[in-house]
Amino acid sequence: ETGVTQTPRHLVMGMTNKKSLKCEQHLGHNAMYWYKQSAKKPLELMFVYSLEERVENNSVPSRFSPECPNSSHLFLHLHTLQPEDSALYLCASSQAVQGNGKLFFGSGTQLSVL
Amino acid sequence: GENVEQHPSTLSVQEGDSAVIKCTYSDSASNYFPWYKQELGKRPQLIIDIRSNVGEKKDQRIAVTLNKTAKHFSLHITETQPEDSAVYFCATVHAGTALIFGKGTTLSVSS
Repeated sequence: ETGVTQTPRHLVMGMTNKKSLKCEQHLGHNAMYWYKQSAKKPLELMFVYSLEERVENNSVPSRFSPECPNSSHLFLHLHTLQPEDSALYLCASSQAVQGNGKLFFGSGTQLSVL
Repeated sequence: GENVEQHPSTLSVQEGDSAVIKCTYSDSASNYFPWYKQELGKRPQLIIDIRSNVGEKKDQRIAVTLNKTAKHFSLHITETQPEDSAVYFCATVHAGTALIFGKGTTLSVSS
C-alpha cells in the first residue's frame, strides 16, 4: 500500500540540528495527522490538519513545528530536539477530520536524537 | 480529556485458541471504535470497527463488541493462527477530530 508516503525512513540528528520530516498522501483525503510511536506511549497524537488548517495541537513542545502547505503534503520541522524525542513518527490521512473514519498510515520515520 | 485504557498489555495463546482484548473509554459522547493491527516493522492497519448504534460486528474470525453503558469494547479473535501475532490497538475519537489509541496489546500465537 503506497497511499501515504513518508521520507526519510530513518533519521539520525544531533540536538542542535534542524531537520524536516515529509509526508505525502495520494488518496485525495482532506485530513492529515502526525502521531508519535514510542515504547512508553504507543501511537500518541501530535497534530491534526483539515484542509491545510491545524485543528488540533495535542500539547506538543514547540521544538516540533508542523506545516501543511496543501491537503496532500504534511511536514514536521524539528529543531533542538532532546534524546527522549527519539521515536517512530507516523503520518496518517483520512477522508475527513471528524475522526470516525479509517486512518491510512505511512511507514513512518525512525528518528534517533543523539 | 478522552482516555482509552487497554488490557492486557501482552497476551500469549496457543494456535486455535481464542483471544480477547478489552478497552474502556471515558467520553460518553464517543461514537466510533476501531481496532488496528500492527505487525512487526509495519504500519498500523484497520482490521475492524464499530459504531455506537451497533452492539456487535463480525468479520470472519474477528469480532468487536460494544457496551455503551459500561463504556467498554472488546476485540475477539477465534481460531487464532501464527499470522495473528502482532500488536493490536483500540481507539476512539478525541474531540471529534482524531483518533486516540490505547497502549496496545502484544498478541503472540504459538503453534
